[in-house]
Amino acid sequence: QSALTQPASVSGSPGQSITISCTGSSSDVGGYNYVSWYQQRPGRAPRLMIFEDSNRPSGISDRFSGSKSGNTASLTISGLQAEDEADYYCSSYTSSRIVVFGGGTKVTVL
Amino acid sequence: EVQLVESGGGLVQPGGSLTLSCAASGFTFNRHWMHWVRQAPGKGLVWVSRIRSDGGYTSYADFVKGRFTISRDNAKNTLYLHMNNLGVEDTAVYYCVRDRSAITGTAGDYWGQGALVTVSS
Repeated sequence: QSALTQPASVSGSPGQSITISCTGSSSDVGGYNYVSWYQQRPGRAPRLMIFEDSNRPSGISDRFSGSKSGNTASLTISGLQAEDEADYYCSSYTSSRIVVFGGGTKVTVL
Repeated sequence: EVQLVESGGGLVQPGGSLTLSCAASGFTFNRHWMHWVRQAPGKGLVWVSRIRSDGGYTSYADFVKGRFTISRDNAKNTLYLHMNNLGVEDTAVYYCVRDRSAITGTAGDYWGQGALVTVSS
C-alpha cells in the first residue's frame, strides 16, 4: 500500500493561516470519511488533532480544522503560533481494511 | 488517566524474534480497537497492525504480514505484538495506540511513549 502524499514542509508567520494537503485515492482518502491528522513535536508521541475528516477531539484548539475534497484532505492551522511548530501526519482507512499514513509535513513558524 | 506502557523492546539479531507488550490502564480496554504504529529513527509514522476490541479481527500492513502477530488479553488489559524473522528495516520505535472507537478502528487518540526495537548483528 502506498503512503499518502504530503508536502515535506510548510511555513508561515505567526498569526497567518497555513494548509497542509494529504493526497490519496478513491481507495482511501476519497472513499471513506476516515482521515485523521496527528501532530508530533520532537521527542514526543503523536497527538490526535482531527478524526473522521473534520472532527476535533476534546481539548484541541479550534484553530485546527480539517476538510476534504475528492481524494485530497487538508489540515488548516489558523492564527499560527510558535507552539504549532511540529511534524504533522495524515492517515486514512483504506479499502484493504488497513490504515495508511502520509509521509509527514514539517511546519515551521517563521 | 489513560496510560499505555510498552515493554519488551531491545536489541535482536537479524532473523530473530521479539514480543512487545503494552499494559493499558485508565480506560475500559475491551471497548477499544488497538493499534501498533512504528517510526524508524528520523523517519515518519508507519502503521503496522490493528486488532478489534474483542480480539476477533486483525489486519496488518503488507510488509509485516506473515511475520508479525497482534493479539490482546482483555482480562489482563494488555496488547501484544509478536515479531518474527526481524530484519534491519524493522528497527524503529514501536508505539502502542488506543483507538478512539470500539467500532471504526481508524484513529488513535492515546499513544504510549514507545518501545525501541533495534535489529542488528
